[in-house]
Amino acid sequence: QKEVEQNSGPLSVPEGAIASLNCTYSDRVSQSFFWYRQYSGKSPELIMSIYSNGDKEDGRFTAQLNKASQYVSLLIRDSQPSDSATYLCAVSFMDSNYQLIWGAGTKLIIKP
Amino acid sequence: SQTIHQWPATLVQPVGSPLSLECTVEGTSNPNLYWYRQAAGRGLQLLFYSVGIGQISSEVPQNLSASRPQDRQFILSSKKLLLSDSGFYLCAWTTGALGSQPQHFGDGTRLSIL
Repeated sequence: QKEVEQNSGPLSVPEGAIASLNCTYSDRVSQSFFWYRQYSGKSPELIMSIYSNGDKEDGRFTAQLNKASQYVSLLIRDSQPSDSATYLCAVSFMDSNYQLIWGAGTKLIIKP
Repeated sequence: SQTIHQWPATLVQPVGSPLSLECTVEGTSNPNLYWYRQAAGRGLQLLFYSVGIGQISSEVPQNLSASRPQDRQFILSSKKLLLSDSGFYLCAWTTGALGSQPQHFGDGTRLSIL
């Protein structure tokens, strides 16, 4: 199993619908979880951080963490065309000196 | 507020030529600094990180090196570039304990080796 896995997509979602992005990670002691958005040709920008089990909401975005099942997800409500981008998941593991391990990203396309 | 500057934005270099990419951070002290490389359609690969002046940790063997001559300056170098060094190079900063806070990225340098 790769350390941090994401479905590469593309994931196509109609405008106004909920986009659901998933990330699974290997069975290691983990500390912090981050979701980034990356537009084509640009650098990643932080969307959400989550550190404990459960849901964390910020505007249209909700991050969900389940450490027992080793997954973290990102929900985008009322999806807009401007949400079309690649979404990167990053996890810090204790045995990697807490450096972030990155997934390859999921490409999201919001169709008007 | 904190800002990060990275230059140049694009660079085309011949095989065997040297490389120097620079990154500076403003508005914070003693940041943790990172150099990543991203190949097309791939995730970010950590190349180097630094927790203080003169302290460099290398994550993967390669013909690249990094230096941190000042608290908020991080430099990525190579004496002789290889074709495999092509990619999108990103500098990032964070504060606090490693892995505890999100990283913030510069605009990146797209490097093409001919």
